[in-house]
Amino acid sequence: GQSLEQPSEVTAVEGAIVQINCTYQTSGFYGLSWYQQHDGGAPTFLSYNALDGLEETGRFSSFLSRSDSYGYLLLQELQMKDSASYFCAVRDYNQGGKLIFGQGTELSVKP
Amino acid sequence: EAGVAQSPRYKIIEKRQSVAFWCNPISGHATLYWYQQILGQGPKLLIQFQNNGVVDDSQLPKDRFSAERLKGVDSTLKIQPAKLEDSAVYLCASTLSEGALAKNIQYFGAGTRLSVL
Repeated sequence: GQSLEQPSEVTAVEGAIVQINCTYQTSGFYGLSWYQQHDGGAPTFLSYNALDGLEETGRFSSFLSRSDSYGYLLLQELQMKDSASYFCAVRDYNQGGKLIFGQGTELSVKP
Repeated sequence: EAGVAQSPRYKIIEKRQSVAFWCNPISGHATLYWYQQILGQGPKLLIQFQNNGVVDDSQLPKDRFSAERLKGVDSTLKIQPAKLEDSAVYLCASTLSEGALAKNIQYFGAGTRLSVL
């Protein structure tokens, strides 16, 4: 089967850096995605890693280590608008390539 | 470019009643997904369509849930009869590419929040 683990809550202050970790277990791994969801809103795509290493997109970066079945999302220069839930999701080729989401990490950014 | 449209935004029904949700994906997106998101959890895939064919419905409770995408564009998801545990947000998503090497970026609608009383 598959499982993903990420912290349920993280709190940080404006301007700080925060890292949200995700560990996964899956039999057929394509890649790791990250989605952001504001309260009452639609999940929106942030990043995707298929290979080991760091992907940077503006203030957000995502890292993957396939050998450790581990990834993280790094948010820099935090802003109040970054307060949201963040989901890691794996694509599993043994599950037809569908996305399997973690339970989500609720990030609260304080002034 | 218009996003994924869903309606209604909210629905309150009593248990054992029926309900239907509608989704219009981004134009040109062949793959359409319906997810169920229970409060405090991540989205869980219910069904995936490629054009008007079902690719994966392994987690769809087929005794009460049904979905169709007759012309390969719009889709409807129906629950009949609803149970208390069906209270959730029902999200529709679409994607352009589904290849093994693709990022599979899914574009989500805002969802329908269903409350079953």
